[in-house]
Amino acid sequence: AQTVTQSQPEMSVQEAETVTLSCTYDTSESDYYLFWYKQPPSRQMILVIRQEAYKQQNATENRFSVNFQKAAKSFSLKISDSQLGDAAMYFCAYRLNSGYSTLTFGKGTMLLVSP
Amino acid sequence: DAGVIQSPRHEVTEMGQEVTLRCKPISGHDYLFWYRQTMMRGLELLIYFNNNVPIDDSGMPEDRFSAKMPNASFSTLKIQPSEPRDSAVYFCASSLGFRTVYGYTFGSGTRLTVV
Repeated sequence: AQTVTQSQPEMSVQEAETVTLSCTYDTSESDYYLFWYKQPPSRQMILVIRQEAYKQQNATENRFSVNFQKAAKSFSLKISDSQLGDAAMYFCAYRLNSGYSTLTFGKGTMLLVSP
Repeated sequence: DAGVIQSPRHEVTEMGQEVTLRCKPISGHDYLFWYRQTMMRGLELLIYFNNNVPIDDSGMPEDRFSAKMPNASFSTLKIQPSEPRDSAVYFCASSLGFRTVYGYTFGSGTRLTVV
């Protein structure tokens, strides 16, 4: 079974600084998707960014970017110019792109942003 | 679209009582998922439906848990009888297609407290 590991239960960053959240996953497959979701205090799960395993280019969405290292099975999220509104729980998720594979989540990293 | 709508937002019940959680998926989405979130176990998939038919309920923890989807716009997750260890946030999510590149759209969850 695929597993997703987020080794940082909590991270802190100051406003305007850059922070990187780590995620590793375990799979023997080659065709899959990776996602980062944000869960603010409102509890709403919001898709931040996604990456297809076959694409070598790292995905970018405004201030959010990923560092996808397929061989190392690593998928980190970089948040640039951090804002107070970025404070939330961040979940890394994996989904195989075949069969009946559903989203598998890591346990999350709580990001604290200080002024 | 109003997104995935869950009710109630909070539920407090006594041990032994029946609890019913409700979900309205996004119109047109053909997959519906129920997840449970706890501090210890993170986000776990309980069951999912395709076109109102349950496909995989292997994540349902016990026979006390049951889920139904009587039509494309409504699903319920029932716990009977409830126990304190069922306390968690329960999320409903929906998607158009199983391997959508956009991941799933989540509701805001129901926080269940069993005392």
